[in-house]
Formats: sequence, structure tokens, C-alpha cells
Amino acid sequence: EPEVTQTPSHQVTQMGQEVILRCVPISNHLYFYWYRQILGQKVEFLVSFYNNEISEKSEIFDDQFSVERPDGSNFTLKIRSTKLEDSAMYFCASSGGADSNQPQHFGDGTRLSIL
Amino acid sequence: GDSVTQMEGPVTLSEEAFLTINCTYTATGYPSPFWYVQYPGEGLQLLLKATKADDKGSNKGFEATYRKETTSFHLEKGSVQVSDSAVYFCALSDRGGSYIPTFGRGTSLIVHP
Repeated sequence: EPEVTQTPSHQVTQMGQEVILRCVPISNHLYFYWYRQILGQKVEFLVSFYNNEISEKSEIFDDQFSVERPDGSNFTLKIRSTKLEDSAMYFCASSGGADSNQPQHFGDGTRLSIL
Repeated sequence: GDSVTQMEGPVTLSEEAFLTINCTYTATGYPSPFWYVQYPGEGLQLLLKATKADDKGSNKGFEATYRKETTSFHLEKGSVQVSDSAVYFCALSDRGGSYIPTFGRGTSLIVHP
């Protein structure tokens, strides 16, 4: 069964540094998402992406965050100047459509640790 | 906005015990509830879903019935196995609002042999 893959599985970065998290969505999916999960807390939506632009974003997704689909397969999340509170598990997801009958398929996540 | 409340864990059971994980929600439009499961070291996987009131979703022995009158979507399994140990997330997609699902905090299930 096709799956969403994320790299790296664990990223350790100094505070203030830029970090790029990478995702390869399922190949025939058109909608892409990033979520984060701070340890012990709920999964929080960050951003959705369709047709090469952001379709929806949460209040967490401020100017420090950006997303890009640099080629036909990768979908990246960039954090420009990391803060301690950015430490979390980041999940990428993709779906074939944008409705509740098209569930999202998640990757295994990237654990981001900010020192 | 929409919100999802699920029972706090961890839930610790012996193998073959009956499992219930409660989930209730508030929604402004037309909710479609889901259950996702996260096994250790892995991402979230869709476990089951419902699209309309009184629908029962089922998968791998798990069941949940969408009860509109009580705004609930409780997860049940008649006989749990050690391999069911995971974190279970209740989620809600609102067709009257954003399709982006709102997640609960997750409930950790630990099953002992």
C-alpha cells in the first residue's frame, strides 16, 4: 500500500537555526498537510496545500513557517529561526480530495528537538 | 470552533478484556467523526470512520457508532490483544466548516498479556 514518507525521523537543531522537514506524499494525492504534536498534547493542524499554494493555515503557522513543493514529489516545511517551543513531532499527510470522505494518510513523523 | 474531548489515559487492560474509549465533540456544521491509531514509532493511521448519524464504523474488531443525539463516537473492542497497544485519537471533520480534522488529545492503551 502506498505511504507517506518523512525524513529525517529525528532532527536536532540549535535555537535560531533554520530547519527543513521533508515529506514525500502519496503519488496520486493532490492535497498536502502539516501537523504538529507537542509531547503529551493534541495533534494540531498547521497548514494545507493544494495546487501549489496554501489553502488553509492555522494561527500557529506564522511568518517563521513556510511550505514548498519544489518538485513533483517532495513537500517541505521550513522553520526559519527555530525556537525552543518548536520542539515537537511534525506529521505530514496527504489526501486524494478535500472532504471528509477522503481521509488523510499520515507519515511516521519527524521528531524535532530544539536545543 | 469544533472541539473533541476524549478520555484521558493511559488505559491499562489485560488481554481479552473489553475496551471502551469515550469521545464526545462539539461541532458547528455537519460532523464526520474518525478514529486514528498511532502505534509506537509510527504515524497516525485511519482506523475507522462514520459519515452520518447512527453509522457504525468498524475495522480490526474495533467499532464506533456516531450518535448525533449524544454527540459521541465511542470506540469499543470486545477482546483486546497486546498488539492493540497504541495511542488512539478521536477526530472530527466538519462538512459545514473546514474539512481539516480536529483531533482529540489521544488516549494511550496498554494491553498486558
